[in-house]
Amino acid sequence: AQSVTQLDSHVSVSEGTPVLLRCNYSSSYSPSLFWYVQHPNKGLQLLLKYTSAATLVKGINGFEAEFKKSETSFHLTKPSAHMSDAAEYFCVVSDQQAGTALIFGKGTTLSVSS
Amino acid sequence: EPEVTQTPSHQVTQMGQEVILRCVPISNHLYFYWYRQILGQKVEFLVSFYNNEISEKSEIFDDQFSVERPDGSNFTLKIRSTKLEDSAMYFCASSVGQGARNIQYFGAGTRLSVL
Repeated sequence: AQSVTQLDSHVSVSEGTPVLLRCNYSSSYSPSLFWYVQHPNKGLQLLLKYTSAATLVKGINGFEAEFKKSETSFHLTKPSAHMSDAAEYFCVVSDQQAGTALIFGKGTTLSVSS
Repeated sequence: EPEVTQTPSHQVTQMGQEVILRCVPISNHLYFYWYRQILGQKVEFLVSFYNNEISEKSEIFDDQFSVERPDGSNFTLKIRSTKLEDSAMYFCASSVGQGARNIQYFGAGTRLSVL
């Protein structure tokens, strides 16, 4: 069975400092992995996706994530946080063998202070 | 940029009443989904829909739930007799194709409050 664990429910950083949001997954097959972001009163927006191509994936707004099969991790990083990055971030796994449903982590709230 | 639209943004209802949550998927998408997020919990898959049929559903999606595409643009989720525990944020999503490689695009959600 698939599952996703986001290791931090809340991360606080200062503007201009690096961001690290941690995600571990469990999947029986070759997973596809995603990071979605949700700003207040907005829909879930796709930040980036991994689907068995390059293990380092670049997304929008300067975010990137690295797929590490040996560690079953897909951590999200950004070198320098911006105030507009404050939002809820969801790590998501999908398994081609298991159908179309996306499996979400609980989410990490990112706060950015000036 | 095309987006998934959900209405209303907030729905308040009395326990036992029927509610219909509405979604307008992206126009060239063929696969439609409903998810929900109870406050403080994970976003959970409810159902996927293709070619006017349910293609996959979770164990949450019991007989009180139904989905429909009543016309060429709307995709609805009906809850027949709401319970307190149905209070949640409901997200609609759509995708061009199916499978893990297809991106699901989400709406902003409808917050359902059952009193």
